[in-house]
Parts: sequence; structure tokens; C-alpha cells
Amino acid sequence: EVQLMQSGAEVKNPGESLTISCKGSGYSFSNYWIAWVRQMPGKGLEWMGIIYPEDSDTRYSPSFQGQVTISAETSIRTVYLQWNSLQASDSAIYYCAKTLERGRLNDAFDLWGQGTMITVSS
Amino acid sequence: EIVLTQSPGTLSLSPGERATLSCRASQTVSFNYLAWYQHKPGQAPRLLIYGVSSRATGIADRFSGSGSGTDFTLTISRLEPEDFAVYHCQQYATSPRTFGQGTKVEIK
Repeated sequence: EVQLMQSGAEVKNPGESLTISCKGSGYSFSNYWIAWVRQMPGKGLEWMGIIYPEDSDTRYSPSFQGQVTISAETSIRTVYLQWNSLQASDSAIYYCAKTLERGRLNDAFDLWGQGTMITVSS
Repeated sequence: EIVLTQSPGTLSLSPGERATLSCRASQTVSFNYLAWYQHKPGQAPRLLIYGVSSRATGIADRFSGSGSGTDFTLTISRLEPEDFAVYHCQQYATSPRTFGQGTKVEIK
């Protein structure tokens, strides 16, 4: 089955670090771009950045550049989203999503993970 | 950055009725790189339409997309009970990719 499986919900304190994951299966993982998308409570979707697992070529939205780090580990078919110091405003649902066509950066997202809810509160 | 504005914010319709959702871009979306997603609470978004008018795999033909340049439309010809959800448009022509704020299609 083709799927993206994300890590579970997290509750963290402000200032803590966090890494969430997205594991792909059922397709050629290394050759499709994977993006991270944020949905804050009651808000729309925001594209954070995207990575090509084969060579870890990564592009960030200016809004998220320097705020998060996206990485990939092809041996275990997993992409990560990392924060060094969480803030309350990072509380949201985070989705990973893969592109429709092999190797295409400018593409729609045909497969999404189930989402990871992050709550940052003291 | 391309800003996508969706209208209306909420569409109240009955099953069987036709739904017309609009997505307007602040500048031309090149190469027709415009997609539509359906999003239900607690679920992952689902790709419906890409390239303005191509239906994704497994998507019913009651969903259709049209438009060009800066004005795009998603039409659901006859609403089924499972179609009540939030719909987002997205452009993937330029970076950063951007989404519209969503249109909620609710049962009247």
C-alpha cells in the first residue's frame, strides 16, 4: 500500500526541541519530493518547505526559513521536521505530502500523511 | 508570493445541488499549476484536481476544474453526502507554494 505514516502527537514546553517524522512506503521513496504543510487551529494550509530524499535538496518557504529544519534518511525511507526551540505559536497540525510525479518539484501533492498534532504549552 | 483568495467562505447547499467554488490568484499562475484538495476534519487532505482540470486517480467525474490565468473554479455537479468538507486551492508554479484559505461546503 502506498502511504505516508507520520509520528504521533506531541505535547511540549516552550523552548524544547522536537523532531517529527514521515515514513513512506509502497513507492520509490527517494525519487519523489516530500513537503511539510502546517495547519494552525482554525486556519488554512501553509507550505513550509520540501525535500528531495535522493540528494536532500531542500527548499524552504521564507516564512519558515531558519525556524525549522527538514531532512531525510533514505535508508529508512523517512523525512523529518525539526525545531530547536518551540514556541506556543508552533502549536498546529503538521502534514507531510509527496508530489504526484517522479522527480518533479513543481507538482501537486497526491499523497498525504495523517498529520501530527503538536501542542506547545507551559 | 502568489496570494490565493477563495470564495465564498462557506457554501450552504443540499445534496444533489451543484457547487461552484472560486479561487482567484493575485498574479498569473503559470503552466496551469493549480490544484484542488478536499479536506475533512481529522483526515488528511485529498487531491481532487491538478493542472487546473485533470482529475486525480479515483476521483469521481462529478468533480471538475476549470479556469486560467488568475481565475479558477471547482465545480461539483451534484453533491453527495460525502462531499461536505473544506476545499482548498493551491498553486505550485512558484515558491513558496501557497494555498487558498478554504471554502467550507456545508449541508443546508
